[in-house]
Amino acid sequence: DVQMTQSPSYLAASPGESVSISCKASKSINTYLAWYQEKPGKTNKLLIYSGSTLQSGTPSRFSGSGSGTDFTLTIRSLEPEDFAVYYCQQHNEYPLTFGSGTKLEIK
Amino acid sequence: QIQLVQSGPELKKPGESVKISCKASGYTFTDYAMHWVKQAPGKGLKWMGWINTYTGKPTYADDFKGRFVFSLEASASTANLQISNLKNEDTATYFCARGLPGYRVMDAWGQGASATVSS
Repeated sequence: DVQMTQSPSYLAASPGESVSISCKASKSINTYLAWYQEKPGKTNKLLIYSGSTLQSGTPSRFSGSGSGTDFTLTIRSLEPEDFAVYYCQQHNEYPLTFGSGTKLEIK
Repeated sequence: QIQLVQSGPELKKPGESVKISCKASGYTFTDYAMHWVKQAPGKGLKWMGWINTYTGKPTYADDFKGRFVFSLEASASTANLQISNLKNEDTATYFCARGLPGYRVMDAWGQGASATVSS
């Protein structure tokens, strides 16, 4: 199985700042990496897939980059609604596997 | 709009069975795969497998072979997860999630259904 290592586990930032979250795969997954957002009281939201393709409805301040084993989610100019938990997921092969999550908190 | 509405919380004893339902609306049920994902308390997400809603064929991740069954009531646009011979480690929130066609990602999620196994 492809192991996904996400870092950091916790990240504190202020509205207006930019942040980056890293996700590393244990072997090449080409560009098949997705990012999800988890918020209390809301259903999980697909933000990005295939490394950098924004899902419909994802604000343009979110961007994804990377290929092979190293990927990054960047959020520019944080909005209050962006404080949440973020998960990466490889979609190159079965079984699908997720990172352990990054909790983005307000500083 | 697209909605996946899951059944309510369950409290079961070890050895019992539980059935979790996921009712879809707002789209053609049989056009999209349905995935199942487990989240144990305080833990991350673990993919359990998926079911082809057109053919009914399920595919299970290795850790979920044997006691776990994915099924459909296609006429009711509903996917079900049944877990038999429950163990304490099955205590978790279970999510259904719609598969984005052509990609192994999940573009709509249910709200989650909690199952607690305790004697």
